[in-house]
Amino acid sequence: EADIYQTPRYLVIGTGKKITLECSQTMGHDKMYWYQQDPGMELHLIHYSYGVNSTEKGDLSSESTVSRIRTEHFPLTLESARPSHTSQYLCASSAMLLAGTDNEQFFGPGTRLTVL
Amino acid sequence: AQSVTQLDSQVPVFEEAPVELRCNYSSSVSVYLFWYVQYPNQGLQLLLKYLSGSTLVKGINGFEAEFNKSQTSFHLRKPSVHISDTAEYFCAVSGVGSQGNLIFGKGTKLSVKP
Repeated sequence: EADIYQTPRYLVIGTGKKITLECSQTMGHDKMYWYQQDPGMELHLIHYSYGVNSTEKGDLSSESTVSRIRTEHFPLTLESARPSHTSQYLCASSAMLLAGTDNEQFFGPGTRLTVL
Repeated sequence: AQSVTQLDSQVPVFEEAPVELRCNYSSSVSVYLFWYVQYPNQGLQLLLKYLSGSTLVKGINGFEAEFNKSQTSFHLRKPSVHISDTAEYFCAVSGVGSQGNLIFGKGTKLSVKP
């Protein structure tokens, strides 16, 4: 079944740790995204990718980095986690835009990160 | 550039009552419009989308939305809600011909009470 997966679902870590949030999709989508979501706030796009070896920064500045070595995999890394990074992180994917088509995005279940 | 305003942060309603969740957008170009639903501890799921054509769009779970270009609105409606509709609802917009990134509203929490 075509889907999008995120691991871990929940993560509690101490300040200064390096972490990687995993995201994989089996839909063959070229475009992938990372959003940060805080309670009562809109989703903020922090990174996106058009395909392999493509990474772009989103609308919200983030200290995280991403990589896209394989089409299906788009991990997000924080080199040194801080309490200000506590949030929910959502991964999404969409088919590459063609003329006249829309940008329906498919979302993973999210990773809730708590940094102590 | 586009922006989205969801006018109500919380909407409490009794079971079997009708509900309307309001969404207004601004854009200098034509738009695609989306409504997503997020249940607790889950990702977002597409409810419905407007691309072109008929301004009344029907989605999953009995929801529908009407695109009103003159009022730049895309309000979501359901004639009779269930307890299971309790969730957060997000309106989103992207510009036609743009690179396709979605701009989301802040969300509306719908609470359905028995």
